[in-house]
Amino acid sequence: EADIYQTPRSLVIGTGKKITLECSQTMGHDKMYWYQQDPGMELHLIHYSYGVNSTEKGDLSSESTVSRIRTEHFPLTLESARPSHTSQYLCASMQTGGSGGYTFGSGTRLTVV
Amino acid sequence: AQSVAQPEDQVNVAEGNPLTVKCTYSVSGNPYLFWYVQYPNRGLQFLLKYITGDNLVKGSYGFEAEFNKSQTSFHLKKPSALVSDSALYFCAVRPSGGSYIPTFGRGTSLIVHP
Repeated sequence: EADIYQTPRSLVIGTGKKITLECSQTMGHDKMYWYQQDPGMELHLIHYSYGVNSTEKGDLSSESTVSRIRTEHFPLTLESARPSHTSQYLCASMQTGGSGGYTFGSGTRLTVV
Repeated sequence: AQSVAQPEDQVNVAEGNPLTVKCTYSVSGNPYLFWYVQYPNRGLQFLLKYITGDNLVKGSYGFEAEFNKSQTSFHLKKPSALVSDSALYFCAVRPSGGSYIPTFGRGTSLIVHP
């Protein structure tokens, strides 16, 4: 049973709209990550955080922003959605010094029309 | 820079037969290696990991993987495939020290035929 939750599960929005994808974990993990994945394709890292008030951009420029005000919460915001943002967004977390594995949420499927 | 190669986009196997999904990696220093499985419209589920110790790692659902340092490989195996094993499999690596950013392979689609 995953202890990392993403909402909404899926969403259809219009071009130009602002949207925030939520990710919360109850494990107290210090590190959190956002990945973008087209169906059945590889994962692209878009943002990560090593702790509260720490955020970094990943390899993929996605025109999104993140915040990490609380350990358990790592929301992703698209200020102005475009059709090219249509994808699945996966959130993950990991604890430094823990077992070394990454725990993933179930993902948010975003469609921009 | 670290990298992962999954040379097969798709692996087909008959139910009851053994399966292998290949993974090779490149990383500075000692590797931490992971296998994940993804079912349609879901996130990634952890299968197993290699951190240190025994080169043969056993994981969830009867899967295992063998770490081969000289060949820089971490192939996923199962002695007897099930139709329900059909899914997308991802190999990942990160160095044991330093970066906590894992690099994932492109994924291999496993199809188990009845």
